[in-house]
Amino acid sequence: QKEVEQNSGPLSVPEGAIASLNCTYSDRGSQSFFWYRQYSGKSPELIMFIYSNGDKEDGRFTAQLNKASQYVSLLIRDSQPSDSATYLCAVNRRGSYIPTFGRGTSLIVHP
Amino acid sequence: GAGVSQSPSNKVTEKGKDVELRCDPISGHTALYWYRQSLGQGLEFLIYFQGNSAPDKSGLPSDRFSAERTGGSVSTLTIQRTQQEDSAVYLCASTPDGHFQETQYFGPGTRLLVL
Repeated sequence: QKEVEQNSGPLSVPEGAIASLNCTYSDRGSQSFFWYRQYSGKSPELIMFIYSNGDKEDGRFTAQLNKASQYVSLLIRDSQPSDSATYLCAVNRRGSYIPTFGRGTSLIVHP
Repeated sequence: GAGVSQSPSNKVTEKGKDVELRCDPISGHTALYWYRQSLGQGLEFLIYFQGNSAPDKSGLPSDRFSAERTGGSVSTLTIQRTQQEDSAVYLCASTPDGHFQETQYFGPGTRLLVL
């Protein structure tokens, strides 16, 4: 059974700090990895995707993928109160059309 | 262009009643997904449609749940004889082709409360 694990949190960080969100997955065949942000009462929206090992940067966000260790991380630099949300990790494998979502990590950025 | 739309945004019903939830995907997207999200829980996959192919119903929790997609576009999720445990947010998402590398585009959801 494919599993995606995330610490539910909440992860609380001060404004301006780096927030580090982690996700582990069980399916070694996984090849596409997504981070979605979900504000309270809203639907998920894509933050970043990553397919290859290593780091991928987009503005204040960096996704890190390590397939050997089966984890993917999301770093948020210079965290802002507006980053406070639940972050969902999603994983999919080649040939599969149904991604597996983690339960999400709640992030709170306090002023 | 327009995103994924869902209606109604909120639905309150009595136990035992049937409900219909509607999803209108992004124009041109052939893949459509229904998910359920209970309070504090992750996304639970329900059903997947791709073009005119037979849907993947593997996530439907019981035979009270059914869905159809007419003309390869709008989809309706029907829950018969609703139970209190059906209370959740029902999210619809679409992607261009259902490819494993595609981003899911979510609608705003329907919040269902069964009394």
